[in-house]
Amino acid sequence: GAGVSQSPSNKVTEKGKDVELRCDPISGHTALYWYRQSLGQGLEFLIYFQGNSAPDKSGLPSDRFSAERTGGSVSTLTIQRTQQEDSAVYLCASSLGQSNQPQHFGDGTRLSIL
Amino acid sequence: GDSVTQMEGPVTLSEEAFLTINCTYTATGYPSLFWYVQYPGEGLQLLLKATKADDKGSNKGFEATYRKETTSFHLEKGSVQVSDSAVYFCALSPAGNNRKLIWGLGTSLAVNP
Repeated sequence: GAGVSQSPSNKVTEKGKDVELRCDPISGHTALYWYRQSLGQGLEFLIYFQGNSAPDKSGLPSDRFSAERTGGSVSTLTIQRTQQEDSAVYLCASSLGQSNQPQHFGDGTRLSIL
Repeated sequence: GDSVTQMEGPVTLSEEAFLTINCTYTATGYPSLFWYVQYPGEGLQLLLKATKADDKGSNKGFEATYRKETTSFHLEKGSVQVSDSAVYFCALSPAGNNRKLIWGLGTSLAVNP
């Protein structure tokens, strides 16, 4: 079946603009995660959604970052007033929601802020 | 808090060499442990996992054993191929909490023919 789908695959925008990144998880996966991967760095957790529970936003680096998940499926990550340090690959993952279940990743969105 | 420490790369090997990538962790209870791989230009993929002590995860000739006594989950392969060139990430999922994986920084592996 289809894996995690992210769009766009690449995004180039000017500093100060808002961007919206989309993630379509695997059907039936209740948990959805956003991560950021900067060049030469590991993965930085941003936010986690599980079913109808309140999201865990503890990883969001500033109030310019927000995310929502509509209908327990598609999620959008929004970055307002982008800064150059926001340049990174943004990865989305989904899982069945138990701790022993792996997360399945999309191919990411490469965001470049000019 | 929980953490994962992975050996630094890059690691460069000749084809058919033995590979070990060390991973140690700090966590309470019994986390689940994972190795993910990122091939050039591709997304992260699960390579193998182990969910309880002494479990051995294996896939594509790679193995890792969950060692509670040494809090380790080292990745091994007996004979690497050029196609194994990738970045390898060790990660843990805290016990009873799949909210976020705790990641190592990744180890880049280059296998030369």
